[in-house]
Amino acid sequence: IQMTQSPSSLSASVGDRVTITCRANHSISTYLNWYQQKPGKAPKPLIYGATSLQSGVSSRFSGGGSGTDFTLTIDSLQPDDVATYYCQQGYSSPLVTFGPGTKLEIK
Amino acid sequence: EVQLVESGGGLVRPGGSLRLSCAASGVTVGDNYMSWLRQAPGKGLEWVSIIYKGGRTFYADSVKGRFTISRDTSKNSLHVQMNSLRADDTAVYYCARGRLVEGLLWFDPWGQGTLVTVSS
Repeated sequence: IQMTQSPSSLSASVGDRVTITCRANHSISTYLNWYQQKPGKAPKPLIYGATSLQSGVSSRFSGGGSGTDFTLTIDSLQPDDVATYYCQQGYSSPLVTFGPGTKLEIK
Repeated sequence: EVQLVESGGGLVRPGGSLRLSCAASGVTVGDNYMSWLRQAPGKGLEWVSIIYKGGRTFYADSVKGRFTISRDTSKNSLHVQMNSLRADDTAVYYCARGRLVEGLLWFDPWGQGTLVTVSS
């Protein structure tokens, strides 16, 4: 299963609402996870099962979608949100695949 | 608190071998799904291998036949033996605990990673 993400990069202002899209080339139901990777750090899980927030993650993050199209939305963008965001399909677990990533910067 | 610390990375020539280790604390390796993932310099994430609680193992096609995942329950550690290394195996290798819930697998937490460079 191949995953794509758009945009590949984006720049937004503090306080903005940002949406990142992830698409699978086959239906994966809601077997979709999101991760945040800050520069020089290991990835951190944000969302599992397309919509469920991981424990300890800010409620400014939310996930949506099912089938082939998914979104990660960040409300009220903060400087600490600068990172690369990856989606990961779990439909073919354990043979999982990641999207290519979306690099988020602050204007 | 779960902590995973990788070691064993370094520079190796094409065709060479390397064994990575992951020391776990706060989690029992033998009671969890444990995985290796990697990230080539400036690139995205790639799942490499996983060992299930019961010992079953799985590999990405890109490493099948060359890499072997294992665990040492007495030392609570995870390992990967990497043989026939190629330039495209150059990456930061992460150890991570897999969470498998109703068929959905994700990885939490991840170690800090260890860099493997394959070059002559």
